[in-house]
Amino acid sequence: EPEVTQTPSHQVTQMGQEVILRCVPISNHLYFYWYRQILGQKVEFLVSFYNNEISEKSEIFDDQFSVERPDGSNFTLKIRSTKLEDSAMYFCASSERAGAEAFFGQGTRLTVV
Amino acid sequence: AQSVTQPDIHITVSEGASLELRCNYSYGATPYLFWYVQSPGQGLQLLLKYFSGDTLVQGIKGFEAEFKRSQSSFNLRKPSVHWSDAAEYFCAVAHNQAGTALIFGKGTTLSVSS
Repeated sequence: EPEVTQTPSHQVTQMGQEVILRCVPISNHLYFYWYRQILGQKVEFLVSFYNNEISEKSEIFDDQFSVERPDGSNFTLKIRSTKLEDSAMYFCASSERAGAEAFFGQGTRLTVV
Repeated sequence: AQSVTQPDIHITVSEGASLELRCNYSYGATPYLFWYVQSPGQGLQLLLKYFSGDTLVQGIKGFEAEFKRSQSSFNLRKPSVHWSDAAEYFCAVAHNQAGTALIFGKGTTLSVSS
């Protein structure tokens, strides 16, 4: 069964450092998403991406965040200068089309120290 | 703005008993509605979804949910809970038109007692 894969599963970084979280969406999907879940809190939408551009983003997705689809398979989330409050589980998801069910990856746990 | 409320933070159910997890949403039009399950250390798995049509939807693992427009609710049910159902359950709503973002509730943690 096709699945969304995320790497790494856990990343520890120092405050102020840049991190790149990687995702390989399901191959025939056209929409890609990043969500985050701070420990003990709900899952929050960050950004959606379609046709090589951001289609929607939340207020959380400020200038320190960026997304990219550098090739035909990967979808990345970059955090330029990490803060302690960026520590969270980051989920990548993809869907075939707008409104279709999103398939989630296992997540990357980011710990900023 | 869209929002999702899951009133119950934590529920404990005996194995074999029935289950109902509540979800209320706030949205101007008919939304796309979802229930996801998250087991410890795992990602989110879709249990079921409602887009249109029959208001009672069947999902995986024996779950079902009923969309009630008049109550703005989409409650999840299972007639007989198994110990493996212990997990966190999230209700979510998507934009009807764009459908490109999910708004999640805070989740309900289900514990199953023997």
